[in-house]
Amino acid sequence: DVKVTQSSRYLVKRTGEKVFLECVQDMDHENMFWYRQDPGLGLRLIYFSYDVKMKEKGDIPEGYSVSREKKERFSLILESASTNQTSMYLCASRDAMNTEAFFGQGTRLTVV
Amino acid sequence: KQEVTQIPAALSVPEGENLVLNCSFTDSAIYNLQWFRQDPGKGLTSLLLIQSSQREQTSGRLNASLDKSSGRSTLYIAASQPGDSATYLCAFVSGGYQKVTFGTGTKLQVIP
Repeated sequence: DVKVTQSSRYLVKRTGEKVFLECVQDMDHENMFWYRQDPGLGLRLIYFSYDVKMKEKGDIPEGYSVSREKKERFSLILESASTNQTSMYLCASRDAMNTEAFFGQGTRLTVV
Repeated sequence: KQEVTQIPAALSVPEGENLVLNCSFTDSAIYNLQWFRQDPGKGLTSLLLIQSSQREQTSGRLNASLDKSSGRSTLYIAASQPGDSATYLCAFVSGGYQKVTFGTGTKLQVIP
C-alpha cells in the first residue's frame, strides 16, 4: 500500500558533497513537492513540480535544485551540502485536481 | 499571505477523553484543508481532507470541521487512545492551488 517512497530514511554527508534525495510515487500524480521540516519552523516548501521537466521555486529554494525526468520520480539535489541543510526532508505528491496529498516517510539528512 | 496557527502547541490528556485540536487561518480563499498526523521521525499520514465546499468530514473516531467565515478548522478525536499520541498538523491549499501552508502542529500525548 506504499504510495510515496523516499530512497533513504537516514543520510550522513560531508560539507561540500553533492547530495541526491530521490522520491517515487505510484499514483500517477502530476504534482510533486519537496519540503524541509525543522523544529519551530514547521514545514517549508523548497520546490515543486506540476509536470515532467517543469519546476517552480517554493519558499526556500536557495542551495537546492530539482529534477523531474519521469512523472513518477522527483529528485532533490543539494549542489554543495552545508551544515545548515541538516534537516528532515519530506516528499509529497498530489493529483492535478489538488485533492489529497500523500507524503513519503521522510529522509533525515545530517551534514557534518 | 496565508498564516496558520495551531493551538495548543502541546496537549496531554488521560486515555478515553474526547478532545479538540484547533487550527486558525487568515485567508478564507482556501481550496481545501487536510489534517495529518506525524509520528516521531516519520513522514505525514493523511487523516482527513475537507474541500472548501464542505463543512466537515468523518473517519472513525475523527471528525474535522471547516468554518471559512471564522477562519477555523477543528479536529475532534473521540475516546482518545495511547496510539493517538503524535503531532497533528493542518494544511491549507489556497491561492494558485499549488500553495500549501502548514500549521506548526499540536503535539498530543494520551496517557494510559
